[in-house]
Amino acid sequence: GAVVSQHPSRVICKSGTSVKIECRSLDFQATTMFWYRQFPKQSLMLMATSNEGSKATYEQGVEKDKFLINHASLTLSTLTVTSAHPEDSSFYICSAIAGVGTQYFGPGTRLLVL
Amino acid sequence: AQSVTQLGSHVSVSEGALVLLRCNYSSSVPPYLFWYVQYPNQGLQLLLKYTSAATLVKGINGFEAEFKKSETSFHLTKPSAHMSDAAEYFCAVSGLNRDDKIIFGKGTRLHILP
Repeated sequence: GAVVSQHPSRVICKSGTSVKIECRSLDFQATTMFWYRQFPKQSLMLMATSNEGSKATYEQGVEKDKFLINHASLTLSTLTVTSAHPEDSSFYICSAIAGVGTQYFGPGTRLLVL
Repeated sequence: AQSVTQLGSHVSVSEGALVLLRCNYSSSVPPYLFWYVQYPNQGLQLLLKYTSAATLVKGINGFEAEFKKSETSFHLTKPSAHMSDAAEYFCAVSGLNRDDKIIFGKGTRLHILP
């Protein structure tokens, strides 16, 4: 089946630094990808919709200047957490649309900001 | 607007007993419905999905779910629980358009008692 990868799987950074997370569709092209955030023992919260070749669409309450999304190709979307703070520590999961009613999820990236 | 409500944040069943995880949805358009499983520190794995074909959907690992429009429900069942079924389960809904986002329920933690 289709596979979506995320890199890195785990990252620890100092407060104030920026962190880039990559989401790749490995064997299909995805014009649309989604970025989710998951706090411990909670559900996935949709952050933004990443559209290839255009600006991302952010959900209400998500700071677009804080969470920069770039979908430069049909197989790659990146999420950059700028000037990270401890409250940004979370599990970030991406997904990619492979067809109608078909989304594949990445394995997630654990971010810890010290 | 679409939403899902999962009844019970924690469910405990004995090994070998029936598993029943409840999900009710709200949607202004015909929905696609999903059940995902998440093991600790991992991404999401699709168990099964309803895409307006058969109302009884069979998934992986012996799970199945039945779409009941009159009850706006999509409950997940498994006849006999295994210890390996212990995980977090998420019910989710999306629209029928290719790029529609998936909205997740809050999740149900399934505990299997020996």
